[in-house]
Amino acid sequence: QSALTQPASVSGSPGQSITISCTGTSSDVGGYNYVSWYQQHPGKAPKLMIYDVSKRPSGVSNRFSGSKSGNTASLTISGLQAEDEADYYCSSYTSSNTGVFGGGTKLTVL
Amino acid sequence: HLQLQESGPGLVKPSETLSLTCTVSGGSISGRSYYWGWIRQSPGKGLEWIGSIFYTGSTYYNPSLKSRVTISVDTSKNQFSLKLSSVTAADTAVYYCGFGDVFPPDYWGQGTLVTVSS
Repeated sequence: QSALTQPASVSGSPGQSITISCTGTSSDVGGYNYVSWYQQHPGKAPKLMIYDVSKRPSGVSNRFSGSKSGNTASLTISGLQAEDEADYYCSSYTSSNTGVFGGGTKLTVL
Repeated sequence: HLQLQESGPGLVKPSETLSLTCTVSGGSISGRSYYWGWIRQSPGKGLEWIGSIFYTGSTYYNPSLKSRVTISVDTSKNQFSLKLSSVTAADTAVYYCGFGDVFPPDYWGQGTLVTVSS
């Protein structure tokens, strides 16, 4: 199984909006609404930010939103804050009854 | 509010078997229709799904690790476990346990570092 494709890095200034893409195939991202996004700060465990493409767990800021079009899912962070600087990973269920992650995206808040 | 805690040796010798346990608190493994799974992250690298198990015992593994991985559940102890055989330095990683409606898991423990070295 191939990893989902994410940009290695994105950046934005405080207050701006950024979008991180996650590209797969019709056998994973495009085939199921089981895409999740995780935020990981250095030395910490990943934290769930979005599940089922666009749902936010309780306690996650509404500045974080998810969407999907075809085989590409996206995570958008609006009103960027310094604390949003972290690594972000997407994941998906696959038609092979497996799970797969993206390679991760480093978000820098300028 | 389910909480997970990984436990096991932090150092494993090459060619031996890595064994980790995940203890679930705040609810019963058998009382939830969740998939319980393992993920790892090698130093400075990304995330890798290892495998997941349903409380009934059905297992699902990453094809790249399938020949070496066994995941099992002990409902009496409210725990599930990971065994990874014939380990090499490439298996050095932080190992996380987690749960979710599908896999990879959505909610994870804090992780435990396992180093493979003689």
